[in-house]
This record gives sequence, C-alpha cells and structure tokens, in this order.
Amino acid sequence: AQSVTQPDIHITVSEGASLELRCNYSYGATPYLFWYVQSPGQGLQLLLKYFSGDTLVQGIKGFEAEFKRSQSSFNLRKPSVHWSDAAEYFCAVVGNNRKLIWGLGTSLAVNP
Amino acid sequence: SQTIHQWPATLVQPVGSPLSLECTVEGTSNPNLYWYRQAAGRGLQLLFYSVGIGQISSEVPQNLSASRPQDRQFILSSKKLLLSDSGFYLCAWSVRWGLETQYFGPGTRLLVL
Repeated sequence: AQSVTQPDIHITVSEGASLELRCNYSYGATPYLFWYVQSPGQGLQLLLKYFSGDTLVQGIKGFEAEFKRSQSSFNLRKPSVHWSDAAEYFCAVVGNNRKLIWGLGTSLAVNP
Repeated sequence: SQTIHQWPATLVQPVGSPLSLECTVEGTSNPNLYWYRQAAGRGLQLLFYSVGIGQISSEVPQNLSASRPQDRQFILSSKKLLLSDSGFYLCAWSVRWGLETQYFGPGTRLLVL
C-alpha cells in the first residue's frame, strides 16, 4: 500500500542549528511530493514541492528538500533554524488515485 | 490572488446538534475543493472532495455530508453531531484534480461536548 512515513514524531533543535526532517514514501511510479508547515491552530502552508527535474528543490522560508529515488526519501532541510520555525511539518505524496497521502507529521520545537 | 476563507474559526456544539461549516474561495474559477479533518497525532484525513458544482465524492462514510451549492462554496454539514466529530476541519482548493498543489484555509476548531 502507498504510504508516507515521517519517522520523527518530535524534534527539538537550538536556534541557529541546522535541521533535517525525514520523509520516506512508498510509491511505485515517479512521485509528486510536498512539504507543508502548520503553525499551532492554523491551516497548512506549502513549503515546497517536487514534480520532476532537479532533485534539490528550494522552498519558502529558507527550506530545501532533496528527492532521492534510491532511498525513497524526500527530506526537508534548513541550514539555520529560527524560533519562528517551530511548527508541525507534514510530508505528502500524490497516490495512484490522485489523492494526497499524508505523513503523520513532525513537531519541531526550537530552543532559544 | 486567490484566498480561501473558513468560518467559524471555533465552534463548541452539544452532542446531537446540527453542524454547518462553510468554505469559500476567491480569485479562481472552478476549483477542486476538499474537506479534511485533523485529529491530534493522526495527520490529515480526507473527508470529501468536489470537482464541480453539485459533485461530491465521499471518502469516509459517517454522519457528515458535504455540498457545493456554488462554484466557490463548499459546505460541511451534519444533522446530529457525535463526540467523535470533534477535531480541526480544514478546507482546501486546487486548480486541477490530484496533480496540483492544494492550498488550505485557516481551519475550524470543532469541539463537541
């Protein structure tokens, strides 16, 4: 079955430190992949997406993600985290039926 | 530019009462519309989607229903709320079914007591 796994339920980093959030997907064909961010009590905002082409994708707020087909991964990275990055992060892939398959999210806390 | 609105932002309802949540999109025509529910620690669950006026597809059989009376209006309803209906309800839109980015509204927090 198609699925998205975000192995880390919760991550805490210090402000200014680098960040990597993991996302693994199970999908046979070339995936359409997304990362969204959700601040507490808010809707989801698109950070970046991968459809094809360059496997390193740049997004908003200084985030980037790299698609690695061999590892079925689409990890999200940021070189220097800001306190305002504290939020919930969701990875998603478009499934065979064209519906989004969502990971359960990673909650990011940022220490001052 | 396109914007998506949801209201109310917060709702507290007794068990057995009716529900109506509204979502409207501005700045685009014939959007695909989606209702999701988000429960703590359980990610997003697609409830309904619509590719056009009057066209509703249901993903999860339950006591909720959806309607699309106008091109850019999507309504989530229930005749009798259950405790298990509590959650955060998100509306989203996209340009094209399935293969385009979904853009989310601010959400409605529903607490059923």
